[in-house]
Amino acid sequence: AQKITQTQPGMFVQEKEAVTLDCTYDTSDPSYGLFWYKQPSSGEMIFLIYQGSYDQQNATEGRYSLNFQKARKSANLVISASQLGDSAMYFCAMREGWNQGGKLIFGQGTELSVKP
Amino acid sequence: DVKVTQSSRYLVKRTGEKVFLECVQDMDHENMFWYRQDPGLGLRLIYFSYDVKMKEKGDIPEGYSVSREKKERFSLILESASTNQTSMYLCASSSPPGTGGISPLHFGNGTRLTVT
Repeated sequence: AQKITQTQPGMFVQEKEAVTLDCTYDTSDPSYGLFWYKQPSSGEMIFLIYQGSYDQQNATEGRYSLNFQKARKSANLVISASQLGDSAMYFCAMREGWNQGGKLIFGQGTELSVKP
Repeated sequence: DVKVTQSSRYLVKRTGEKVFLECVQDMDHENMFWYRQDPGLGLRLIYFSYDVKMKEKGDIPEGYSVSREKKERFSLILESASTNQTSMYLCASSSPPGTGGISPLHFGNGTRLTVT
């Protein structure tokens, strides 16, 4: 079974609007962390935001926020006030447990296109 | 800033060749990882290492091996390259997650390998 699922292969958003990228996860470990990465066309992977399973509040980093709904096992990324430079692939990833070598499990990715 | 350097950006090899992909990090990270990235499949873990001379299989280790003789260097080896190993290969490093789980992976810029 897929541990991380991103159901939107591609999305379009108008510049300056907000957009939500979906991510659902599956784990039985009570200790886990959720990450979002951005990959522009240059290929580099840029870490955006992190949410731990015990964190009480949703994580925020500038224009990025993570809508964490633990009971639904979802960790959606919200980008506010989209910019042209936000056009990229976005990956959701999960780390299960704190003592398993630190590996991340990635979703399939969502390609976001921001239209002027 | 963490720097993860992959020795080649583009590589073209013939079927049956032995291929070495090299990765060096400069942040004294214990953990290092090799992923491959394919469209629609996201990033899949091939191998990872949490210490010198230690290695663990990821989700798709078949056809690959790794070597970690020094802390800063993690090599991926394709013993006999095949066309289905044509892909983007990404190396990453991180410190151990610890309690709370945050410790993002820092990625290199990737090696696009084509096997003909």
